[in-house]
Amino acid sequence: DSGVTQTPKHLITATGQRVTLRCSPRSGDLSVYWYQQSLDQGLQFLIQYYNGEERAKGNILERFSAQQFPDLHSELNLSSLELGDSALYFCASYGGGGLFFGPGTRLTVL
Amino acid sequence: AQKVTQAQTEISVVEKEDVTLDCVYETRDTTYYLFWYKQPPSGELVFLIRRNSFDEQNEISGRYSWNFQKSTSSFNFTITASQVVDSAVYFCALSKAAGNKLTFGGGTRVLVKP
Repeated sequence: DSGVTQTPKHLITATGQRVTLRCSPRSGDLSVYWYQQSLDQGLQFLIQYYNGEERAKGNILERFSAQQFPDLHSELNLSSLELGDSALYFCASYGGGGLFFGPGTRLTVL
Repeated sequence: AQKVTQAQTEISVVEKEDVTLDCVYETRDTTYYLFWYKQPPSGELVFLIRRNSFDEQNEISGRYSWNFQKSTSSFNFTITASQVVDSAVYFCALSKAAGNKLTFGGGTRVLVKP
């Protein structure tokens, strides 16, 4: 158990819908990272927050947005979903010399 | 730009054999960090090791060992006396600095047969 929590574990939805993925970093960690893992793209960095502020942006689509709240949990919002958004979405937090990942949310868009 | 290449897409071994996973990286940064992660069939990403670029000492942790060679831009990972529980996808990753985003390789799937 990495100490990073993510909910839900699985999400099945339809094209055009909007979903919210939630993440809580390890206790004491201020940063949150979001990654997407898909079969064709591999593990791709989406966005990073540090203590509520956006720190770095990767290959995040305009239909996706994220934020980190004062209690340090983060939410990744995915809207106008397409079939190609089906993937495993990971959240991670940095601390103790490494980047620790949560269990992931498996999103299936039908 | 940073790049990580794991040329081996899949390796199949019989239990107790040693297996070495190759990782070659590209970066223009003079300091950087290298990582290895394990992704078992259950799907989570398990942190195995972080190595910084100014420490070329090899590391051993139980049956796992890592060989960092700056001269060839490689950070290889060896599992000694493999076990069925080692079956997983292993990812090598690179970051510019501690706390920066990771650039991942494509992963190597290891299948250990009993």
